[in-house]
Amino acid sequence: NAGVTQTPKFRILKIGQSMTLQCTQDMNHNYMYWYRQDPGMGLKLIYYSVGAGITDKGEVPNGYNVSRSTTEDFPLRLELAAPSQTSVYFCASRSGTSGTRTGELFFGEGSRLTVL
Amino acid sequence: LAKTTQPISMDSYEGQEVNITCSHNNIATNDYITWYQQFPSQGPRFIIQGYKTKVTNEVASLFIPADRKSSTLSLPRVSLSDTAVYYCLVGNYGGATNKLIFGTGTLLAVQP
Repeated sequence: NAGVTQTPKFRILKIGQSMTLQCTQDMNHNYMYWYRQDPGMGLKLIYYSVGAGITDKGEVPNGYNVSRSTTEDFPLRLELAAPSQTSVYFCASRSGTSGTRTGELFFGEGSRLTVL
Repeated sequence: LAKTTQPISMDSYEGQEVNITCSHNNIATNDYITWYQQFPSQGPRFIIQGYKTKVTNEVASLFIPADRKSSTLSLPRVSLSDTAVYYCLVGNYGGATNKLIFGTGTLLAVQP
């Protein structure tokens, strides 16, 4: 049972380059999220999705784009990378069904991105 | 969206009970309260969730007063491995508010 899988785990980008962080979950979860975490700081919500074809902005969406063409995949696109986007990126998912752990977010291992 | 406030850090010793309080004054009627634990270089991990009163599982207890404007995560007999950041998250998981925004978290340092 893989859970939430993120690739790549590490990446170094030059300023102005673009890239896509991949996120896949095999739990048939409707809700998916992208967070970034700067060193020593908390998690900031970038984008989220409540189902295939539906996405919405979080707290810090500028400089990023997402798509959700399938239930399983929720890629995060960085356009024109900047040093301020150096961070660890976490993808998470959860089911929407009721239960005692309704709010349980399942996180991937993170993607560490450095922009130089 | 319910904003949460937690102490930035707490210190404890092995074997002690630790209580971490989270304030969420504008919690909505349908909001649940969930606590997560995060170790360095890892994603947060679910600890416990509750709506009101008290919830207990194998690792922690969650106390929620009647007005639900705060909650307290209780960790019994902590060990060095409980050193981590603890986040309180408030959200309406089945409703229209699906933005799950984390607060600053509480860094718990357990000493021998």
